[in-house]
Amino acid sequence: SQQGEEDPQALSIQEGENATMNCSYKTSINNLQWYRQNSGRGLVHLILIRSNEREKHSGRLRVTLDTSKKSSSLLITASRAADTASYFCAFRSGYSTLTFGKGTMLLVSP
Amino acid sequence: GAGVSQSPSNKVTEKGKDVELRCDPISGHTALYWYRQSLGQGLEFLIYFQGNSAPDKSGLPSDRFSAERTGGSVSTLTIQRTQQEDSAVYLCASSSTGNANYGYTFGSGTRLTVV
Repeated sequence: SQQGEEDPQALSIQEGENATMNCSYKTSINNLQWYRQNSGRGLVHLILIRSNEREKHSGRLRVTLDTSKKSSSLLITASRAADTASYFCAFRSGYSTLTFGKGTMLLVSP
Repeated sequence: GAGVSQSPSNKVTEKGKDVELRCDPISGHTALYWYRQSLGQGLEFLIYFQGNSAPDKSGLPSDRFSAERTGGSVSTLTIQRTQQEDSAVYLCASSSTGNANYGYTFGSGTRLTVV
């Protein structure tokens, strides 16, 4: 399967702690993206990292990409209860469509 | 519009009936995608439109599923003779280009329940 795999499947932390989620994939990619989904509905695009980039920051988000290991990580620093959601990695392996992983469910407790 | 709009937000239908799901993408976005998500699962790709044509429809699970896009804008996903395994959230997304070099903007989805 070309589907990405997130790890862990679920993560429970306290407010203020950092949350790290990992994504592995099997094909060569053009870019890798992270999305957040609240309450099982629409996904929101968080950040995109291109295959020639190794690290990218956006606010409290930090994404790394290791193409030699075919893996990426998403770090959320100083987490808040509002960060509670499912997080998905997605990558472009073909010309036009994104392949999504199965997601990590993050629970941030006050 | 300002975002991707999907309708209806919820649909309950009897097994064997046909359903139509609608997606109104962001104005000017040439690429439109349909995915579905079963409970607690990841997103399953269904079909991709560039303009009014569908260069990739490889994810449609059976010939009961079809989709069209008209005027380079609104798209309709039709499921004929619905089955219980069709129950899922159907998500539509659009993008300014079709090469996935930019993020997708998703609608809120249609939750389809087949009883």
